[in-house]
Amino acid sequence: GAGVSQSPRYKVAKRGQDVALRCDPISGHVSLFWYQQALGQGPEFLTYFQNEAQLDKSGLPSDRFFAERPEGSVSTLKIQRTQQEDSAVYLCASSLFASGIQSYNEQFFGPGTRLTVL
Amino acid sequence: AQKITQTQPGMFVQEKEAVTLDCTYDTSDPSYGLFWYKQPSSGEMIFLIYQGSYDQQNATEGRYSLNFQKARKSANLVISASQLGDSAMYFCAMRENTGNQFYFGTGTSLTVIP
Repeated sequence: GAGVSQSPRYKVAKRGQDVALRCDPISGHVSLFWYQQALGQGPEFLTYFQNEAQLDKSGLPSDRFFAERPEGSVSTLKIQRTQQEDSAVYLCASSLFASGIQSYNEQFFGPGTRLTVL
Repeated sequence: AQKITQTQPGMFVQEKEAVTLDCTYDTSDPSYGLFWYKQPSSGEMIFLIYQGSYDQQNATEGRYSLNFQKARKSANLVISASQLGDSAMYFCAMRENTGNQFYFGTGTSLTVIP
């Protein structure tokens, strides 16, 4: 497909379980972003990759959150020992250019993964 | 301080009427971009319109236009001739040229009434 895809679309985890969320960005896109969107809120930045390099992880809420993009394409967001406050929609977005090149660097979003921690 | 402020949690508009969704922003970066996204109940963020900080004219995309008032740091979205399919959450976002991330507001829920 031409757009950003994410899997799974829905994930239910028991508190304490580890989860892995996958993002397939648009082919050729340099930048990849992860956001967390709590119910009724706007997306909050988690982390940013430029190709395989994780250049910004300032938004990751704790060391239980880990993201990787080893080959500069697919990315995985891993949450260890999930807690109820991790319940949210996790959005992945990609953009063609590296950040800082120009302000118009539209981010294309995937459909998100809705994580529910019981 | 909030980077993006959307003060209207919910808005109603009659079908075929125009509606304005408010957005104010805060940045000290002279170069930035402002974006509006639509998020229907399906959850996907759909890009609507972009305004660059150096753009002289207000952006327009079909029924969408952006009322950009730089001195006031506002970037209101105007939707003309509202349609039932416009019912959704609308998010204003900003990207500073020196940064990596988008900053999003808390969104406005728009309901179009037939």
